[in-house]
Amino acid sequence: SQQGEEDPQALSIQEGENATMNCSYKTSINNLQWYRQNSGRGLVHLILIRSNEREKHSGRLRVTLDTSKKSSSLLITASRAADTASYFCAVSDSWGKLQFGAGTQVVVTP
Amino acid sequence: NAGVTQTPKFQVLKTGQSMTLQCAQDMNHEYMSWYRQDPGMGLRLIHYSVGAGITDQGEVPNGYNVSRSTTEDFPLRLLSAAPSQTSVYFCASRGGRRETQYFGPGTRLLVL
Repeated sequence: SQQGEEDPQALSIQEGENATMNCSYKTSINNLQWYRQNSGRGLVHLILIRSNEREKHSGRLRVTLDTSKKSSSLLITASRAADTASYFCAVSDSWGKLQFGAGTQVVVTP
Repeated sequence: NAGVTQTPKFQVLKTGQSMTLQCAQDMNHEYMSWYRQDPGMGLRLIHYSVGAGITDQGEVPNGYNVSRSTTEDFPLRLLSAAPSQTSVYFCASRGGRRETQYFGPGTRLLVL
């Protein structure tokens, strides 16, 4: 079974709104990463948060990590139509094996 | 740098045929991985390698073989293609186990 599980599976918002998606995992991790995939394209790395970090920012992205709850969240602020994509979390164990969740499909309408 | 490259972009096979999906990276990365992506399933790890000569199985290794004779190349072999292997295959690489992973553009495989 997959290590990361995203919630919700799909999200539809209007431009300017914030989008929040969550990721839960099952075992101990070294780090957790978020990726974006535009339709028909490869995955693009967004942000990496290490197991000893609790929050990280990158532009309009904010990621939190709660290792006690084995969960992470990705917040996209002031969303744009160009943010329409699927977003995946991936967890890395101490051996470097990276496992992905099923993703959240985000649609941002103008 | 070209990053991670994959060939072919698209392939149609008949059941029972074999083929090799090519993956190469020019970033001198030690870690390389193969994933398959099916609708609603996200990415599932097939095989990965932590350096030349070292490979290990991922979540769904059956029906696939890999080898890592050089740092740059990590081919994925389908021994006897089955319709269940119809998928999009992504190769990825990274410099270390705590580093960002870079993905190739993917290979769309259709097995009839």
